[in-house]
Amino acid sequence: GEDVEQSLFLSVREGDSSVINCTYTDSSSTYLYWYKQEPGAGLQLLTYIFSNMDMKQDQRLTVLLNKKDKHLSLRIADTQTGDSAIYFCAASDSNYQLIWGAGTKLIIKP
Amino acid sequence: DTGVSQDPRHKITKRGQNVTFRCDPISEHNRLYWYRQTLGQGPEFLTYFQNEAQLEKSRLLSDRFSAERPKGSFSTLEIQRTEQGDSAMYLCASSSAHTEAFFGQGTRLTVV
Repeated sequence: GEDVEQSLFLSVREGDSSVINCTYTDSSSTYLYWYKQEPGAGLQLLTYIFSNMDMKQDQRLTVLLNKKDKHLSLRIADTQTGDSAIYFCAASDSNYQLIWGAGTKLIIKP
Repeated sequence: DTGVSQDPRHKITKRGQNVTFRCDPISEHNRLYWYRQTLGQGPEFLTYFQNEAQLEKSRLLSDRFSAERPKGSFSTLEIQRTEQGDSAMYLCASSSAHTEAFFGQGTRLTVV
């Protein structure tokens, strides 16, 4: 079945760009998602990309998809303290169910 | 519509008791999902419904877990004879077919 992997932590300075990476195993995944979870809060959809796209940009967020390497990344430009959260990558399997990574905790240094 | 709503937000129960959680999805969404999330992990899929039909339940963690969606609107997740290992956040999400899922705030269960 599908497996989704992310590194557990990323530390960046305020104002720098953050790049969070994710790999998945199922090449037939149709949709790939990035969700944000702040402490004590639910999961908030940030953005998603169809598998036939290479890139999607939405304000400070840029998603890059390399289908050949099954690699997905989320770039957050001009990272702010409010971006501190856990970021989850998720991939849809053949039944359109989401398989999740363990989450990357983004730590912002002043 | 204010999004996916879950009730209660927190539940503390004694080991061996039964608990039931409720999820109210976004009204026009026909798919409803239940996930469990433990500390430091991503959500773990449990089951999902399309309208009132439960299309996948093999990943329910044991036969102590059951879910219903009797009228294709709200859903309940029941855990019988709770164990300490059931302590987790239980998340509900809803979607239209082939679109992104929207999540509720979750129900945090603590079994003491």
